[in-house]
Amino acid sequence: NAGVTQTPKFRVLKTGQSMTLLCAQDMNHEYMYWYRQDPGMGLRLIHYSVGEGTTAKGEVPDGYNVSRLKKQNFLLGLESAAPSQTSVYFCASSYSEDGSYEQYFGPGTRLTVT
Amino acid sequence: AQSVAQPEDQVNVAEGNPLTVKCTYSVSGNPYLFWYVQYPNRGLQFLLKYITGDNLVKGSYGFEAEFNKSQTSFHLKKPSALVSDSALYFCADTGGGNKLTFGTGTQLKVEL
Repeated sequence: NAGVTQTPKFRVLKTGQSMTLLCAQDMNHEYMYWYRQDPGMGLRLIHYSVGEGTTAKGEVPDGYNVSRLKKQNFLLGLESAAPSQTSVYFCASSYSEDGSYEQYFGPGTRLTVT
Repeated sequence: AQSVAQPEDQVNVAEGNPLTVKCTYSVSGNPYLFWYVQYPNRGLQFLLKYITGDNLVKGSYGFEAEFNKSQTSFHLKKPSALVSDSALYFCADTGGGNKLTFGTGTQLKVEL
């Protein structure tokens, strides 16, 4: 199993450009998440999904959109990138066999907006 | 809402010595507590979790954590640190829900 994969690994955008980050998981997990990681701030939840066709806002959703058309994929879109969106983005998936919703993380995408 | 505090930005310890990385959680819902480790330029890796049961939880790579309800703490420990343990450590809590709330992370540096 590949687990959770993210595409691309690195990207540089100019202000105002758009892009989509792809997350894929092969563990048949219902729940998927997008986080951003910034120095000294830990991981902050952007959007999440509790199942195919559903999405919900997290702690810092502004400037981002998501879609979950297939169970195994969770896409994060930036419609008009801003320098404040320079960050490392992590995708995660989880299940709830024991009620804990333990999360499995992808390797991250490092995004720079100039 | 859940909140998790990691009071130390950095912990330095000599190789072979015991290490402790501190974490406290807010009392809101049922604490489902986790520790994750992040090596440079990598994603987060699961170390251990507490749901219920024994207060001492054993995890990967020789790490363990002690759940203390009266002190609302979930400190990560290892009896003998290795240089290879140097990494960024995150404590997190779901509060019984389906979302994780993370602490701000503690950088562990193990020196020879």
